[in-house]
Amino acid sequence: AQTVTQSQPEMSVQEAETVTLSCTYDTSENNYYLFWYKQPPSRQMILVIRQEAYKQQNATENRFSVNFQKAAKSFSLKISDSQLGDTAMYFCAFGGFFGQNFVFGPGTRLSVLP
Amino acid sequence: GAGVSQSPSNKVTEKGKDVELRCDPISGHTALYWYRQSLGQGLEFLIYFQGNSAPDKSGLPSDRFSAERTGGSVSTLTIQRTQQEDSAVYLCASSPSTGETQYFGPGTRLLVL
Repeated sequence: AQTVTQSQPEMSVQEAETVTLSCTYDTSENNYYLFWYKQPPSRQMILVIRQEAYKQQNATENRFSVNFQKAAKSFSLKISDSQLGDTAMYFCAFGGFFGQNFVFGPGTRLSVLP
Repeated sequence: GAGVSQSPSNKVTEKGKDVELRCDPISGHTALYWYRQSLGQGLEFLIYFQGNSAPDKSGLPSDRFSAERTGGSVSTLTIQRTQQEDSAVYLCASSPSTGETQYFGPGTRLLVL
């Protein structure tokens, strides 16, 4: 069974600074997807960034980028120029290539401080 | 376009009653997921529908939980004989196909008294 671990329950960062959230996972599959989702206090879950495991290039989305290390089964999220609106719970998630075995990590609560 | 919608937004029920939670996925999305999120916790996978295939029910916590998806669109999650530990936010998500990004609804907050 797949597992996803986020070792940082809570983190804080000053506005405009850079922060990195850690995620490791365990799987025996070779092709899969990895995701970072954001859940603000409003509760609506929103996709931040998505990575296909067969792609070596790290995904980027504006201020958000990932460091995907397939061999190490690591998938960290870097948020540059942090903004107050980035305050939220961040969940790392694993999805099987055929949509099965979708697993979320326990989450990291990020606070961006003014 | 319209996103994933869920109803009701909030539901308060008494222990032992049955409840039905509804999810309207994004039109054309073939995959639909149900999750449970307890207060301050991560998401617990419940069930997954993909097209006309048999659903993956491996996450359902007990036989009191069931779900169906009619016509490949709307889905209903039913909890029979509710217990206080069933209190949580129930989230529904849909995606265009397997492995694609999931789009989440706003959730239904269930409180069992």
